[in-house]
Parts: sequence; C-alpha cells; structure tokens
Amino acid sequence: QVQLVQSGAEVKKPGASVKVSCKASGYTFTSYYMHWVRQAPGQGLEWMGTINPSGGITIYAQKFQGRVTMTRDTSTSTVYMELSSLRSEDTAVYYCARRNYGGNLPLLDYWGQGTLVTVSS
Amino acid sequence: EIVLTQSPGTLSLSPGERATLSCRASQSVGNSLAWYQQQPGQAPRLLIYGASGRATGIPDRFSGSGSGTDFTLTISRLQPEDFAVYYCQHYGSSPPTISCTFGQGTKLEI
Repeated sequence: QVQLVQSGAEVKKPGASVKVSCKASGYTFTSYYMHWVRQAPGQGLEWMGTINPSGGITIYAQKFQGRVTMTRDTSTSTVYMELSSLRSEDTAVYYCARRNYGGNLPLLDYWGQGTLVTVSS
Repeated sequence: EIVLTQSPGTLSLSPGERATLSCRASQSVGNSLAWYQQQPGQAPRLLIYGASGRATGIPDRFSGSGSGTDFTLTISRLQPEDFAVYYCQHYGSSPPTISCTFGQGTKLEI
C-alpha cells in the first residue's frame, strides 16, 4: 500500500533553514509527482509546490519562489523540501502528498503524517 | 490568484441531518474544484474532484455540484464521523505553472 513517511518535528531559529523529508513506499516512486502543502496552527491549507521525481523538475508557488527547494533521491525513494530564511509565520505542519493518478495536478489522495516546524527565537 | 470563499464558517447540525456547504470562486474555475475533509490532528482526505466526482472509497452520502464560480458539497445523512473541517480547493495546470488555492474552511460541528 502507498505510504508516505515524513521526518520528525523541528525547532528552528528565525533566519535558519529547515529540510523535511518524505520517504515513499508501496508504488513506483518515479511515476508520481509529489506535492508539499503546509498548514499553520489553526489555519487553512497552503500549496507550496511540486516535484517530478522522475527528472527532478520542480514547480513552486509564487509565494515561495526563492525560498523553497524541493529535491529527490531516487535511490531511497525520498523527496525533500527545504525552506530557507525562516520566520515565525513559517511555523506550520508541512505535508507531502501525491495524486492517485499520474500528472502534476495537486489532487491529493495520499498524504504523509505531517511534520511540525516551529520557528522561534 | 483565484480566491475561494467558503460559507458558513461554522455549521452546527445533528447526526442524520443534511449538510450543505458552499464555496465561491473569485473567477470562473470551470469544474476544477475539489473538496477535502480534515479531522483534528490528521491529514486532509480527498472527497470530491472535478466538482462532482467522488474519490476512491468515499461514501455516496457525499456529493458535489456546481461549476464556474459556485459550488456545493452536500452530505445527505450526517454520520458522527462526518463532523470535521471541510476545505474546497481550486487546481489547475497551465504549463509551466500550477495554480492551487484552498478556501478557508467550514467547520461542521455537532
């Protein structure tokens, strides 16, 4: 069965960077785009971007351009999301998620368990 | 950027009743509209895509309708496990970009 297992919670200081991992299993890793969505405490959902694990091509939401980097390691079926220049407003749960079918549309059937990133001095 | 506005913010109903949730887009999104359910402490769950298609494994008491700018999620007979927060989502792909925005959510409470 499809599983997306994310790395554990992080606490970072303002200005630092964080790198969250998402290890995929139960399917062909390179066949499905992986998306990242975040949710600030008590708030709604915000799409950050996506990566094609096959070629590593990324598409980022305009809001995060220049601050987010998504990468993948096909040898371990893991995708990474790195967010730099952290500020308090980046405190959120970060999710990786993928679609049930191919293509890059962010219709998200499978989700990781989420990773809480706290930014605090 | 397309803005999605959900109403009401909170909906208070009882098990067995019918729930009607609304989502309005700031401009036409065709039928590129999805609905998600989120339980406390859990990841969201896709319910509806393409405005009216049910995702795999979703019970038929969940139905979606609408097109253009006005959309509705209906839950015909509320079960205890249906009380949650619901989000609508616009999604689209215009290479090389993707558009994706979520509404602010409707909390369905007992």
